[in-house]
Amino acid sequence: AQRVTQPEKLLSVFKGAPVELKCNYSYSGSPELFWYVQYSRQRLQLLLRHISRESIKGFTADLNKGETSFHLKKPFAQEEDSAMYYCALYSGAGSYQLTFGKGTKLSVIP
Amino acid sequence: DGGITQSPKYLFRKEGQNVTLSCEQNLNHDAMYWYRQDPGQGLRLIYYSQIVNDFQKGDIAEGYSVSREKKESFPLTVTSAQKNPTAFYLCASSMGDTNSGNTIYFGEGSWLTVV
Repeated sequence: AQRVTQPEKLLSVFKGAPVELKCNYSYSGSPELFWYVQYSRQRLQLLLRHISRESIKGFTADLNKGETSFHLKKPFAQEEDSAMYYCALYSGAGSYQLTFGKGTKLSVIP
Repeated sequence: DGGITQSPKYLFRKEGQNVTLSCEQNLNHDAMYWYRQDPGQGLRLIYYSQIVNDFQKGDIAEGYSVSREKKESFPLTVTSAQKNPTAFYLCASSMGDTNSGNTIYFGEGSWLTVV
């Protein structure tokens, strides 16, 4: 069975400090990984996906198949990054569902 | 304003009563989903629908029912059989299956409290 683990419920960093939100997954095939973000009083939205290899709002995430990880990183945290972050795994065509981690709340201290 | 609309935002239910949460989308998406979000539990899939008149159980379907009579609508009924219904419910949709080309979009959610 597929599983997504986000080991930190809460992560607090100072403004300007680097951020790393951890995500590990368990899946035997070739997964697709996503990061979703939920800002205060806003709906959950896609932040980035591993296949796009993009940087959104300064965040990047690299899929490491050897370590089965998809950590989200940003070199310099901003106050507006404070939010709830969810890592999600898509197991393959036809499954029609994402498996979400339990989420990490990021708090950026001014 | 395009997107996914859930109603009501807040709902109180007495034990033993059924309640229906509405979800409407005007994105012309084929697939729709219902998730339940509990503190510290992340999102868990209740039901999903790939096309009209078809739906599949997710990981925690017991005590819930859905219908998909129209492409734009996917209401969720929380029945009295659901033992712990107090939660935050999220509706979502995507063009097709959630593969690399199809982003899943979420509604703002509905808070259900059983009193």
